[in-house]
Amino acid sequence: DSGVTQTPKHLITATGQRVTLRCSPRSGDLSVYWYQQSLDQGLQFLIQYYNGEERAKGNILERFSAQQFPDLHSELNLSSLELGDSALYFCASSPDTWAEAFFGQGTRLTVV
Amino acid sequence: AQTVTQSQPEMSVQEAETVTLSCTYDTSESDYYLFWYKQPPSRQMILVIRQEAYKQQNATENRFSVNFQKAAKSFSLKISDSQLGDAAMYFCAYRSAGGNTGKLIFGQGTTLQVKP
Repeated sequence: DSGVTQTPKHLITATGQRVTLRCSPRSGDLSVYWYQQSLDQGLQFLIQYYNGEERAKGNILERFSAQQFPDLHSELNLSSLELGDSALYFCASSPDTWAEAFFGQGTRLTVV
Repeated sequence: AQTVTQSQPEMSVQEAETVTLSCTYDTSESDYYLFWYKQPPSRQMILVIRQEAYKQQNATENRFSVNFQKAAKSFSLKISDSQLGDAAMYFCAYRSAGGNTGKLIFGQGTTLQVKP
């Protein structure tokens, strides 16, 4: 157990819908990363937050957004979902930008 | 931009034998970190080993070792005495040492099958 908790573990939803994925980082970790793992794109970095502020952005679609709350948990919001958004979404956390990041078990999103 | 390439989509090894997984990367940076992650069927991403680019000595963690060739931009993973539990997908990853982000850039992954 990495100490990073992601909910839900599985999510099935229809095209056009909106979902929210939640991540609770390890206790004391200020930095949260979101990654998407899909069959065609592999593992891709989406976005990073550090102590509530956006720190880095990858190839994140405009339909996707994220935030980190004062208690340091983070949410990834996916809207206007398409079939191609079906993927495994990982959250990782680390104490700061330089330390090792630990991954959660991921949320499997299926868009039907 | 940095890229990471794993040219072996699948590999297989006999239990107790040794296998080497390949990884190459492209970067103009001189200081960075390289990692190997293991993803078993449980989907959990597990850090196997890490290498700092400024260190010439190859990293070793028990049965896992790397061959880091900085000039060739090559970073291979050797698994000795392979065990059934080593069966998983393995990802090579790159992280800049500079800047203000610890984001990882991953290769496409190599699926390792271990035969009993």
